[in-house]
Amino acid sequence: DVKVTQSSRYLVKRTGEKVFLECVQDMDHENMFWYRQDPGLGLRLIYFSYDVKMKEKGDIPEGYSVSREKKERFSLILESASTNQTSMYLCASSPHAYEQYFGPGTRLTVT
Amino acid sequence: KNEVEQSPQNLTAQEGEFITINCSYSVGISALHWLQQHPGGGIVSLFMLSSGKKKHGRLIATINIQEKHSSLHITASHPRDSAVYICAVSFSGGGADGLTFGKGTHLIIQP
Repeated sequence: DVKVTQSSRYLVKRTGEKVFLECVQDMDHENMFWYRQDPGLGLRLIYFSYDVKMKEKGDIPEGYSVSREKKERFSLILESASTNQTSMYLCASSPHAYEQYFGPGTRLTVT
Repeated sequence: KNEVEQSPQNLTAQEGEFITINCSYSVGISALHWLQQHPGGGIVSLFMLSSGKKKHGRLIATINIQEKHSSLHITASHPRDSAVYICAVSFSGGGADGLTFGKGTHLIIQP
């Protein structure tokens, strides 16, 4: 079975802190994605990557950056966390042109 | 910009009832996904389809490309089907571009 893991299920950070969210997949998928999910807004794409060291902005990239140094790992970085970045963050991966596999999510609270 | 609309937003039904959740989208797509999210956050892909109909157990998904509309049906519903069901579309088979999501349908099946 495909497994997508995220480094934390719950995370509490202070405003202004640098935050790293890690995602690892074990199926050699080319594509990886970061989404955030908010009540009433649904899931929205932050960034995605289709290869090592490649990244593309999604619908809401402001305030975020990403890093993909190895194929299996895709990191989301909040350079200076703000309260409006409190959300559920979901990572996903997919082989080319197939369905996406989601991680369990990280619920981030910024105080 | 493509939009994905789901209906209803909330649905409460009795065990055994036939359930239908609808999804419409505004521009051409290459694939449509139905996802299930249980409390706690984990998202599971139920179907990915680009034409016709797919069936898995008590779940059936249909898509009408001309009408830009898809439905998810649950036959003989059961309380364990209670979850949020999310429709999402992709422009490249779910591969490189990420998904655009509907806001989800919160389904509750009462015993």
